[in-house]
Amino acid sequence: KQEVTQIPAALSVPEGENLVLNCSFTDSAIYNLQWFRQDPGKGLTSLLLIQSSQREQTSGRLNASLDKSSGRSTLYIAASQPGDSATYLCAVNTGFQKLVFGTGTRLLVSP
Amino acid sequence: NAGVTQTPKFQVLKTGQSMTLQCAQDMNHEYMSWYRQDPGMGLRLIHYSVGAGITDQGEVPNGYNVSRSTTEDFPLRLLSAAPSQTSVYFCASSYRDRGVYEQYFGPGTRLTVT
Repeated sequence: KQEVTQIPAALSVPEGENLVLNCSFTDSAIYNLQWFRQDPGKGLTSLLLIQSSQREQTSGRLNASLDKSSGRSTLYIAASQPGDSATYLCAVNTGFQKLVFGTGTRLLVSP
Repeated sequence: NAGVTQTPKFQVLKTGQSMTLQCAQDMNHEYMSWYRQDPGMGLRLIHYSVGAGITDQGEVPNGYNVSRSTTEDFPLRLLSAAPSQTSVYFCASSYRDRGVYEQYFGPGTRLTVT
């Protein structure tokens, strides 16, 4: 059974810091991996999607990497801002659009 | 496009009552799914559909029923609500674009069962 773990569970940093969020999964047979952002009381917003054949994807200050063989992905956020404060969720697609989610990393960026 | 819409936003039920959570998408997506989100457990898949008339169970299907009569709509029915079904419910849809499937989520329905 696929299991997804995210470390750390919570992170607090001052504005301007670069930071890394970690995601690991137990079964390397995935179609893709998606990073989401969730604001309190809101739905999920897709940030980046990495296909199983890709190594990384970038969007603005965000960079996500994927090492399928070791079952790991990282989300790198450059020059963090208070507006980045949210919960970040990692999810792997196991087929037929079935996602298995981690429990998330709650990020707080203080001014 | 309105994207993925869900109604209601909030709902309180008594144990044993039944209700339907509505989900609709206007993007002609073939895949739709329902997840529940509980504190400390992440989102878990309840049911999913790969097209109109085709549904299947996810990780936590017990106590829920679905049908997909049209591409646009994917309602989730609670047959006899229990306190364990208190949760936030998210509907999602996706389609294949240049070989890539990306999931789009609705805003969620917060359900409390007393």
